[in-house]
Amino acid sequence: SQKIEQNSEALNIQEGKTATLTCNYTNYSPAYLQWYRQDPGRGPVFLLLIRENEKEKRKERLKVTFDTTLKQSLFHITASQPADSATYLCALDPRRALTFGSGTRLQVQP
Amino acid sequence: GAGVSQSPSNKVTEKGKDVELRCDPISGHTALYWYRQSLGQGLEFLIYFQGNSAPDKSGLPSDRFSAERTGGSVSTLTIQRTQQEDSAVYLCASSLDSDRIYGYTFGSGTRLTVV
Repeated sequence: SQKIEQNSEALNIQEGKTATLTCNYTNYSPAYLQWYRQDPGRGPVFLLLIRENEKEKRKERLKVTFDTTLKQSLFHITASQPADSATYLCALDPRRALTFGSGTRLQVQP
Repeated sequence: GAGVSQSPSNKVTEKGKDVELRCDPISGHTALYWYRQSLGQGLEFLIYFQGNSAPDKSGLPSDRFSAERTGGSVSTLTIQRTQQEDSAVYLCASSLDSDRIYGYTFGSGTRLTVV
């Protein structure tokens, strides 16, 4: 069956370090992959989309990689700040609507 | 409007009652989606609209759940004879196109509590 896996354990890092979150998937052949940020009590907010023919995408302090051979995407936040603390979700589109991973909570310590 | 608006933001209902949840998408967004999120869980897909039609209803958990969209805009999700397991945050999202390359814009959700 199709599955999207994100590390369910929270990631704790120090301010200024680079945070790296992982999204693995099985039994999908997505044309693209998306990353979202979700704060408590709020809906997810779209951050980045990367297509299957793109290896890497950057937006300000964010960088996403997409390896269709490994079936994995890595999401990096450089020079992390306490304000980056949130849950980050990856999402794939196998059909007509996005399927989301369960997310990884990031906590950036000042 | 500037964003996706959902109402009510909170709803407490007694088991067995019917509830209606409303979603106002961003003007001009042709695609609209309903998801639900239980405490500490990921997003569970419910239904997708393209215009007023629903090409994909595969996520509706039972026949107690139904949704409609009128005028290519507002959508209503109805849950009949609510059960305690229906308690969750119901999220609505819209996107500019059916290809979704611009990402989804989500509302803040309706927190439904069935007592």
